[in-house]
Amino acid sequence: DAGITQSPRYKITETGRQVTLMCHQTWSHSYMFWYRQDLGHGLRLIYYSAAADITDKGEVPDGYVVSRSKTENFPLTLESATRSQTSVYFCASSAGKNTEAFFGQGTRLTVV
Amino acid sequence: GDSVTQMEGPVTLSEEAFLTINCTYTATGYPSLFWYVQYPGEGLQLLLKATKADDKGSNKGFEATYRKETTSFHLEKGSVQVSDSAVYFCALGNQGGKLIFGQGTELSVKP
Repeated sequence: DAGITQSPRYKITETGRQVTLMCHQTWSHSYMFWYRQDLGHGLRLIYYSAAADITDKGEVPDGYVVSRSKTENFPLTLESATRSQTSVYFCASSAGKNTEAFFGQGTRLTVV
Repeated sequence: GDSVTQMEGPVTLSEEAFLTINCTYTATGYPSLFWYVQYPGEGLQLLLKATKADDKGSNKGFEATYRKETTSFHLEKGSVQVSDSAVYFCALGNQGGKLIFGQGTELSVKP
């Protein structure tokens, strides 16, 4: 299916575990983004990528790792999950700088 | 660093009322400005955008004008409908490629 897809949609994990959230887009967009959405904070940028093998930190990168070996995939890894990382995570992609971003449906992550 | 500030919600209006949601930004250079909308349980989708000073973005009866002198991009609609109930996000795209969002404003429209 064309578009941007995130998996899983829901995840419960324990404190200290490593967890990876997947993001896949079929448009060959150069830019990809990861955000977390929390009440009272809106969307905060975790990491973004301008192209394969190019990633950069956003506003709240601590505790997260990203990679982008292929243009279409941009996984986000929580190396050692903490309860403060309980959130809804959104992935997005765009064709270029300052163009429309398309969002996935989100992953609701609960760290217990 | 670059940032976006929106008026706090929730905003509750009656159907056919006038809507304004304030948005101001801080950025170096000349960012592009966006309004996104999020319906319950969904991801965000673009509502409108403006790429340079004095540009007006418009879509589905919503409008916003890029005001460089006041660093603002306020969202307006002349007559809201129940179906406009959603969370609205103001965002900027900076020269480095970052896309930065405000905290969102929840709009509830009552019949």
